[in-house]
Amino acid sequence: RKEVEQDPGPFNVPEGATVAFNCTYSNSASQSFFWYRQDCRKEPKLLMSVYSSGNEDGRFTAQLNRASQYISLLIRDSKLSDSATYLCVVTPNSGQNFVFGPGTRLSVLP
Amino acid sequence: SQTIHQWPATLVQPVGSPLSLECTVEGTSNPNLYWYRQAAGRGLQLLFYSVGIGQISSEVPQNLSASRPQDRQFILSSKKLLLSDSGFYLCAWTDGNNEQFFGPGTRLTVL
Repeated sequence: RKEVEQDPGPFNVPEGATVAFNCTYSNSASQSFFWYRQDCRKEPKLLMSVYSSGNEDGRFTAQLNRASQYISLLIRDSKLSDSATYLCVVTPNSGQNFVFGPGTRLSVLP
Repeated sequence: SQTIHQWPATLVQPVGSPLSLECTVEGTSNPNLYWYRQAAGRGLQLLFYSVGIGQISSEVPQNLSASRPQDRQFILSSKKLLLSDSGFYLCAWTDGNNEQFFGPGTRLTVL
């Protein structure tokens, strides 16, 4: 089993749609969780950290379920500019080994 | 504010040639530094990370090596490139919250 797995995608959604991405991780000792977005041929950029209580930043909501070893990202009211690949990232307590998921590509269509 | 630089931005090298990619960070001290590779259409693969000068941990055995001669400088090297070394090489650093920030990357093509 891969350490971090994500929805295979791609997701093609119309503008204004709500879309949810799922991510599972295998290392139960993992302590820190993040979502990054990566535009085509660019470096990944931090979208948001994921906290145990869940957190929201504008149209983006992240949830963590430690018991199920599952992370989610919800995007509401999708914009064309949300089109990118979304990467789930997990790290153990030491924070020295960041494991990236393969990513889920999102295309928001006009 | 912190910034991270990588160069060159693109590189085309013949098989068997040497490689040296450089990464420098500004605006922070004693950062954890990382080298990743992303093959075309694939996810990020952690190659090396460093928690301090001269301290290098290798995640994947291969013909690449890394060095950290100064606190904010991280270098990725190879003595002889292989075709399979082609990819997008990304340097990153972490802040106190374990959040990673990436440089603009070097796109390497080995012919």
